[in-house]
Amino acid sequence: DAGVIQSPRHEVTEMGQEVTLRCKPISGHDYLFWYRQTMMRGLELLIYFNNNVPIDDSGMPEDRFSAKMPNASFSTLKIQPSEPRDSAVYFCASTRTGNQPQHFGDGTRLSIL
Amino acid sequence: EDKVVQSPLSLVVHEGDTVTLNCSYEVTNFRSLLWYKQEKKAPTFLFMLTSSGIEKKSGRLSSILDKKELSSILNITATQTGDSAIYLCAVVNTGTASKLTFGTGTRLQVTL
Repeated sequence: DAGVIQSPRHEVTEMGQEVTLRCKPISGHDYLFWYRQTMMRGLELLIYFNNNVPIDDSGMPEDRFSAKMPNASFSTLKIQPSEPRDSAVYFCASTRTGNQPQHFGDGTRLSIL
Repeated sequence: EDKVVQSPLSLVVHEGDTVTLNCSYEVTNFRSLLWYKQEKKAPTFLFMLTSSGIEKKSGRLSSILDKKELSSILNITATQTGDSAIYLCAVVNTGTASKLTFGTGTRLQVTL
């Protein structure tokens, strides 16, 4: 089984630009999670989906962030407009059920100049 | 709000030493506690501990859950340089499905 696949691996862009991060969960996994990791705050949950429906977006920092899951095999996290403080590593994770461990992708390292 | 605190923040040991990493938590309705290892990229799953499985072991790694003390430890015996990583502890609340609340991690460095 292929793992969770994220793209791009690295993204460097100027502030004000739109950024789109992509994630393909493991086939058959019904839950998908977006996390952000920084030195100061560690790993923080931004939003998660169950069967393509957003369940909890309380971790999304502000309206500049949005996430979608149009089908079971694809999700996007969008930042518009981006700001330097959004610089972080963004991880996507998936799991089959609520009782099983999450599997993480390799992350997208985002740098906003 | 669920909370996880890990200690120490960082640790340097010599190869062959035994280390113990600590995790304490506050969660309204505890379901499970998980340990992950993070090297350069993705966190990789190590153990999941629940009320029905409070002790887990895999090779040189083992973990125990103390529900009374609201804490867990991760032990690594005969450490190797390949054990160098950030070790993350996370808890799951029964009311939030699979939602993980992470601690900030313990950075372990194993030297020759």
